This record gives sequence, structure tokens and C-alpha cells, in this order.
Amino acid sequence: AQTVTQSQPEMSVQEAETVTLSCTYDTSESDYYLFWYKQPPSRQMILVIRQEAYKQQNATENRFSVNFQKAAKSFSLKISDSQLGDAAMYFCAYRFTGGGNKLTFGTGTQLKVEL
Amino acid sequence: GAGVSQSPSNKVTEKGKDVELRCDPISGHTALYWYRQSLGQGLEFLIYFQGNSAPDKSGLPSDRFSAERTGGSVSTLTIQRTQQEDSAVYLCASSLLLAGGQETQYFGPGTRLLVL
Repeated sequence: AQTVTQSQPEMSVQEAETVTLSCTYDTSESDYYLFWYKQPPSRQMILVIRQEAYKQQNATENRFSVNFQKAAKSFSLKISDSQLGDAAMYFCAYRFTGGGNKLTFGTGTQLKVEL
Repeated sequence: GAGVSQSPSNKVTEKGKDVELRCDPISGHTALYWYRQSLGQGLEFLIYFQGNSAPDKSGLPSDRFSAERTGGSVSTLTIQRTQQEDSAVYLCASSLLLAGGQETQYFGPGTRLLVL
């Protein structure tokens, strides 16, 4: 079974600084997707970034980028120029393309942004 | 267009009662998912509907849990004889499956269920 591990329950970052959230996963599959979702206090899960496993290039969305290391099964999220609005719970998720499309989530990292 | 909506936003019930949670997916989305988020935990998959195919019920924790999707749109998650351990946030997501397996799941705001 696939598992996703986020070993940092909480992280803090100063406004305008850079922070990296870690995620590792375990799978025997070669074709899959990885995601980072953000969950603010409103509870609504918001997609931050997506990475296809067959792509070697790391995905980037504005201030958000990932470091995808397929051999190491590592998928970290880097947030640059952190803003107060980035404060939220961040979840890493995995989806096997042939496995019914369900997402397997990690336990989340609570990000605090300080002035 | 409108996003995924869920109702009620919050639900308090007594142990042993039945509850129904509703999800309205994004119009045109063929896939619909239910997840459960217990306090301090990640999301746990419950059930998945795709078009007219038989649903994937592999994540339902017990036979007290069931779900329907009528007309390929609205879905209802029903929990019978609720227990205190059922207290959680229940999140619904919908998506449009694209060629090559590409898909993004869009989530609703969830229903927070508290069983007393």
C-alpha cells in the first residue's frame, strides 16, 4: 500500500523568507502524481502544485516550487517570499494513475508565518 | 462557475442517530470523492464515484457508512447509528478526468460532524 509521510507537524517562517516543507512517500509504482494542498482555517482544500512522476522537471507555480526526487521518493515544497496568507496546514498527497484516482494524504504540516 | 458545495456546514448529533451529509459537485465533473479528516490527521479516502461505473467503496470504515450519487451529480453520505469516533470533518471533492489520467480534485468546505 502507498503511504505518504510528512515528518514536520509544524513549521515557522518569517515574512518574506523562504521555507521548505518535506514529504516522502512509498510506492512500488512508476506512474503517479504528487500534489501539495493547502488548507486554511476555512477548511477548504486548495491545490497548490502538482507534479507528474514521468516529468523530470520540477513543477513551479509563482512563489511555490517543488524538489521532486523520484529515486529517493521525496517531494518537498518550497515557498519563497512567504506571506501572511500562506499560513495554513499543508498536505502532501499521492495518486497512482491506475489505482482508482483516490488521493493518499500525509498528516500535514502546520505553517506559521511571523512578522 | 460555482465550486463544490457541502451541507450542512456543521452537524451535531446524538450517538445512535443517523445523519446525511450532502455534496454538490462542480457542474460537469464526472468523478466525486468523499474523504474523512479526523482531528490532527490527514484525509482518509472513503468512497469514489465515476460516471455510471460501480463506486469504489474500499475506504468505507464499516457497514454503517453508505453513499449514493443520484443522476451523476449530487451525492449523499449517510452514517447510520453514529458513534463518537465518527466525529470528524467530511470532505467532498469532484473532478473531471482527462486523457492520460490527468485530474485535479476540487474540494468543498466540508461538513464538521460532532457526535455527542
